[in-house]
Amino acid sequence: AQSVTQLDSQVPVFEEAPVELRCNYSSSVSVYLFWYVQYPNQGLQLLLKYLSGSTLVESINGFEAEFNKSQTSFHLRKPSVHISDTAEYFCAVKGANFGNEKLTFGTGTRLTIIP
Amino acid sequence: GAGVSQSPRYKVAKRGQDVALRCDPISGHVSLFWYQQALGQGPEFLTYFQNEAQLDKSGLPSDRFFAERPEGSVSTLKIQRTQQEDSAVYLCASSSTGTSGAEQYFGPGTRLTVT
Repeated sequence: AQSVTQLDSQVPVFEEAPVELRCNYSSSVSVYLFWYVQYPNQGLQLLLKYLSGSTLVESINGFEAEFNKSQTSFHLRKPSVHISDTAEYFCAVKGANFGNEKLTFGTGTRLTIIP
Repeated sequence: GAGVSQSPRYKVAKRGQDVALRCDPISGHVSLFWYQQALGQGPEFLTYFQNEAQLDKSGLPSDRFFAERPEGSVSTLKIQRTQQEDSAVYLCASSSTGTSGAEQYFGPGTRLTVT
């Protein structure tokens, strides 16, 4: 079984400042890791994912996340945020073992950008 | 192309009523998932189909919950004798293959309120 912890339920950040949204996971097997974003009044959208290979993964809108196996973390970062980044961000994990298809989500972090 | 669609978007039911929630996945997607998202929480897995086969229903909270996908396309989640604790957003997701790394595309959800 897998579990995900997102310690910060809300993160307020000034526009153009950097941000880090924390995610830690627990699993007895190898994992795939995901960050989903939910903009106001919209559905969940995949932001980025780690399956294998390079531990640093990037999204098209400037976010990046680094898989750290020793610390069981997959923190999301952006060097300079914009108003349009206001959303709820969910970290999710899936076991890499055969037949395990379900995503296990954290409780989410609400990112609020202050003008 | 069209994304995942769900209907109705909003449903109010009196305690004890039966409800049926519909999901239209992306055309050609093999896998279909149902998740439940309570207020202030992350989505929680309910059940998973590959084509018409229900391969995992470990997340269904009780025998009042039933899901089907008879022709391997549209799916219906049915809740019998609704209770107040069933109030939540029900999310449907589909993915193109059954492989673990495949992205799950989410619909907008159905918000169920049980009064």
